[in-house]
Amino acid sequence: AQKITQTQPGMFVQEKEAVTLDCTYDTSDQSYGLFWYKQPSSGEMIFLIYQGSYDEQNATEGRYSLNFQKARKSANLVISASQLGDSAMYFCAMREGRNSGYALNFGKGTSLLVTP
Amino acid sequence: GAVVSQHPSWVICKSGTSVKIECRSLDFQATTMFWYRQFPKQSLMLMATSNEGSKATYEQGVEKDKFLINHASLTLSTLTVTSAHPEDSSFYICSASDPTGYNSPLHFGNGTRLTVT
Repeated sequence: AQKITQTQPGMFVQEKEAVTLDCTYDTSDQSYGLFWYKQPSSGEMIFLIYQGSYDEQNATEGRYSLNFQKARKSANLVISASQLGDSAMYFCAMREGRNSGYALNFGKGTSLLVTP
Repeated sequence: GAVVSQHPSWVICKSGTSVKIECRSLDFQATTMFWYRQFPKQSLMLMATSNEGSKATYEQGVEKDKFLINHASLTLSTLTVTSAHPEDSSFYICSASDPTGYNSPLHFGNGTRLTVT
């Protein structure tokens, strides 16, 4: 069963605007972590932001913030003041407490295109 | 920050040959490394968990005799694609976390694009 669901295959946003990328997850664990990564066309995976299941505050890292709604099991990424360089694939990922070796399970990703 | 180096960045090989991909943690020790595979426009799929000094743990459906993983030291894991076929053409990417723990991000190498002709 899919543990991470990203329902938006592609998104457009105009430069300087904010955009929200959706992510829902499924787990029965109490302890888990949620991560967002950016993958430019070059293929590298760039870590953006982390939210722990016990964190009461939404995580923020510069222009990135995570809208964490635990009861709804959603962890949406908000990018403020979009830049052309934000155009990339964005992956939501989860690590569950029971995962052996702390591997991450990834969603299918959302392709973001920032237009001038 | 933690740096993971992967080599080569790309490789083209003929069907039936073997290809070795190296993954190194440059500034930290990684007792565990992870190998992922990504087909074009798809997600990252975990292939195996590489454990230093012991056998790798493979995900369901991944042939351990085809994808040989060796983690001989705390800074090096290798993935060897044996008897490669065109369907093995893919993007392979390794990762590790420093420190380990469920709140630590994985740091990724830059990936290896394998093309089997």
